[in-house]
Amino acid sequence: NAGVMQNPRHLVRRRGQEARLRCSPMKGHSHVYWYRQLPEEGLKFMVYLQKENIIDESGMPKERFSAEFPKEGPSILRIQQVVRGDSAAYFCASSPQGTGEKLFFGSGTQLSVL
Amino acid sequence: DQQVKQNSPSLSVQEGRISILNCDYTNSMFDYFLWYKKYPAEGPTFLISISSIKDKNEDGRFTVFLNKSAKHLSLHIVPSQPGDSAVYFCAVASGSARQLTFGSGTQLTVLP
Repeated sequence: NAGVMQNPRHLVRRRGQEARLRCSPMKGHSHVYWYRQLPEEGLKFMVYLQKENIIDESGMPKERFSAEFPKEGPSILRIQQVVRGDSAAYFCASSPQGTGEKLFFGSGTQLSVL
Repeated sequence: DQQVKQNSPSLSVQEGRISILNCDYTNSMFDYFLWYKKYPAEGPTFLISISSIKDKNEDGRFTVFLNKSAKHLSLHIVPSQPGDSAVYFCAVASGSARQLTFGSGTQLTVLP
């Protein structure tokens, strides 16, 4: 029973490039959450998705960031035209219900922007 | 404006002793509180939770206390073990989707 799978574990991008982060939830989970952790800070909520729907994107920056969770395949967090301030650890979490409370987290993707 | 604050970035405790991690929150409407533990290069893992109708919840060596009047949450680990060394985050569930708002974390080091 695999946990939440995120890839890649590490992603290096130059300023202006695009970053794509993937997340496969735990088996049987249809609710996905993305969180971002900046250095020396706690995790910050970004977006909550169900299959084919964005439920709450109140934590997403207004520009350059988008997320999807298609009917088939993993959830994708996409960052266009990355800047140095996007360097962070990005964690995906899933839950069987949409309460968002007891979440199961992946190991994260460490994004480094040069 | 931090809604959840962990004012101690680090804590060192001797093995076998009690570890007490603290957390303060600002919004009296919060009604569900959680603690997560995080090892390096891993995602956070759920540890223990408490709803606002209780003031204590216990699970083995871990006990969470909630003081609603003081808007204060604490996690007690007793006896502490070296394997407990990790970053501990408190979190509150809020918003229509009950998404988690995390504190900045406390690095616990349990010395053998």
